Amino acid sequence: QQQVKQSPQSLIVQKGGISIINCAYENTAFDYFPWYQQFPGKGPALLIAIRPDVSEKKEGRFTISFNKSAKQFSLHIMDSQPGDSATYFCAASRPETSGSRLTFGEGTQLTVNP
Amino acid sequence: DGGITQSPKYLFRKEGQNVTLSCEQNLNHDAMYWYRQDPGQGLRLIYYSQIVNDFQKGDIAEGYSVSREKKESFPLTVTSAQKNPTAFYLCASSILAAGNAEAFFGQGTRLTVV
Repeated sequence: QQQVKQSPQSLIVQKGGISIINCAYENTAFDYFPWYQQFPGKGPALLIAIRPDVSEKKEGRFTISFNKSAKQFSLHIMDSQPGDSATYFCAASRPETSGSRLTFGEGTQLTVNP
Repeated sequence: DGGITQSPKYLFRKEGQNVTLSCEQNLNHDAMYWYRQDPGQGLRLIYYSQIVNDFQKGDIAEGYSVSREKKESFPLTVTSAQKNPTAFYLCASSILAAGNAEAFFGQGTRLTVV
């Protein structure tokens, strides 16, 4: 049972363009939504995260938009660079779980062409 | 240099053999996790532990076993009962803050059954 669905599976963007990755969740008990970035052969690393009490969070070129009523959230990468080429995972967790027991989306492989 | 160390990076196993993947952390985190990563399926939780000598099954625990004898160590054994063990295995750790702790990942172990 996939509780977090992510799209697209792959994305190709030109340098300087905007990359947009979307996720939808089913469990309304989720209240923490991080995005992880993974380079080939490496473990994922936290990129940015949001709680549902805000609709948007921005850190540098990375922005999360959150729509609680639609149960959707998205990652926007502005001015995309070749160094952003990686696999991106959205995730979610519930407040009653201690630590970081995360449910992940399927991942999006982003390629930024120079 | 704090972090999570997984070893080996690559592992080959013959069918019918058990194999143990190592995970060590020096971040003083209470919680540790094992995820399995397959192409197009994201990361799926195998086992997690919030305290020494205690652990819980995740979403895909069948064919795997773990131990948590020390806070720093959380080894994963892939048994011969695991029907499709070839995958990229990721170990992670976090503090025990409720539901929104950042997960720190190791570099992963790529297991191939030959």
